[in-house]
Amino acid sequence: AQTVTQSQPEMSVQEAETVTLSCTYDTSESDYYLFWYKQPPSRQMILVIRQEAYKQQNATENRFSVNFQKAAKSFSLKISDSQLGDAAMYFCAYRRGGDKLIFGTGTRLQVFP
Amino acid sequence: DTAVSQTPKYLVTQMGNDKSIKCEQNLGHDTMYWYKQDSKKFLKIMFSYNNKELIINETVPNRFSPKSPDKAHLNLHINSLELGDSAVYFCASSQEWTPGSNQPQHFGDGTRLSIL
Repeated sequence: AQTVTQSQPEMSVQEAETVTLSCTYDTSESDYYLFWYKQPPSRQMILVIRQEAYKQQNATENRFSVNFQKAAKSFSLKISDSQLGDAAMYFCAYRRGGDKLIFGTGTRLQVFP
Repeated sequence: DTAVSQTPKYLVTQMGNDKSIKCEQNLGHDTMYWYKQDSKKFLKIMFSYNNKELIINETVPNRFSPKSPDKAHLNLHINSLELGDSAVYFCASSQEWTPGSNQPQHFGDGTRLSIL
């Protein structure tokens, strides 16, 4: 069975600095999709970034980028120029085809001014 | 212009009662989901429907029954509520998957269910 592991329950960063959130996953599939979702205190689930396993190029969305290492089954999220509004729970998620999302346990990110 | 809307946002009720949570999406998506987020923030799939047909049914007690009257709606009915049912329930939807596509799931704002 596929599993997703986020080994950092909490992280903190100074405003304007860069922070990296870790995610590893376990799968025997070769074709799958990876996501990072953000959940602020308002509890909405907001898609931050997505990556297709067949693409070697790392996805980027403005200040958010990923480091996708398929052989190592690693999918870390880098947030550059951190802002106070980035404070939230961040969830890494895996999906095979059109199947369900499998989530990690989340990392709570605090941003200090 | 809310994409995935759930009602109610908060639900406080007593043990043993029966309650429903409604979900509607106006994105034209074919697939809808229910996820449960427990007190430790862990999110887990409960059900998934594609064009009104059940395609995922994880090990969820029979007290939980999803109903999809049409592909834009997926409601969750819970019978005989128990203390352990207290959680946040999220509805989500996505376009039907085709090989090579990476359509994300869009989530509602969640329903916080509290059992007294």
